[in-house]
Amino acid sequence: DADVTQTPRNRITKTGKRIMLECSQTKGHDRMYWYRQDPGLGLRLIYYSFDVKDINKGEISDGYSVSRQAQAKFSLSLESAIPNQTALYFCATTQSPSSGANVLTFGAGSRLTVL
Amino acid sequence: RKEVEQDPGPFNVPEGATVAFNCTYSNSASQSFFWYRQDCRKEPKLLMSVYSSGNEDGRFTAQLNRASQYISLLIRDSKLSDSATYLCVVIDYGDTDKLIFGTGTRLQVFP
Repeated sequence: DADVTQTPRNRITKTGKRIMLECSQTKGHDRMYWYRQDPGLGLRLIYYSFDVKDINKGEISDGYSVSRQAQAKFSLSLESAIPNQTALYFCATTQSPSSGANVLTFGAGSRLTVL
Repeated sequence: RKEVEQDPGPFNVPEGATVAFNCTYSNSASQSFFWYRQDCRKEPKLLMSVYSSGNEDGRFTAQLNRASQYISLLIRDSKLSDSATYLCVVIDYGDTDKLIFGTGTRLQVFP
């Protein structure tokens, strides 16, 4: 099984629908992140969480919300999807820097298309 | 100025060639540096960390130039399988431990 699992892998939806992307990890990492990737723009941070009680906005959080249900789970919601949220979404995890390990491990990605 | 900048490429090189990419960063206090590789429509995967003294992993060499604020990746004896996008990642430690990605440099190795 993958260390970081994202579901769904692909989703096509319509404008105005609510969508949830889920991420779970088996690495025991404290920190979890949601990124979106668009051609020519690279990876942009949406939200991140350093532990279950910690939620932080990234550079493009508008239109998104997150929930850290447990150390291993971090879900991303689009309350009312719009076409410019069509993108490839990645969840990633890492251990805290004090552990000496700061390598990001990514999930396989969730491709979302909003019509 | 972007916090982390890369030439998007594509770099088209023949098999066996040596190719180098640079990545510049704007924050002189940045503390950790990495190269990731991303294949088309796949997730980024760590290629190598970049250490102050430079480091090598097989055909790949990474270097850090703090004075000029850039990191580099050198690939020797390019293989077809090296075709991918190479992302540089810079980490600024602090309250938020900010990870900043470059937009990536695309490499295409041809026969």
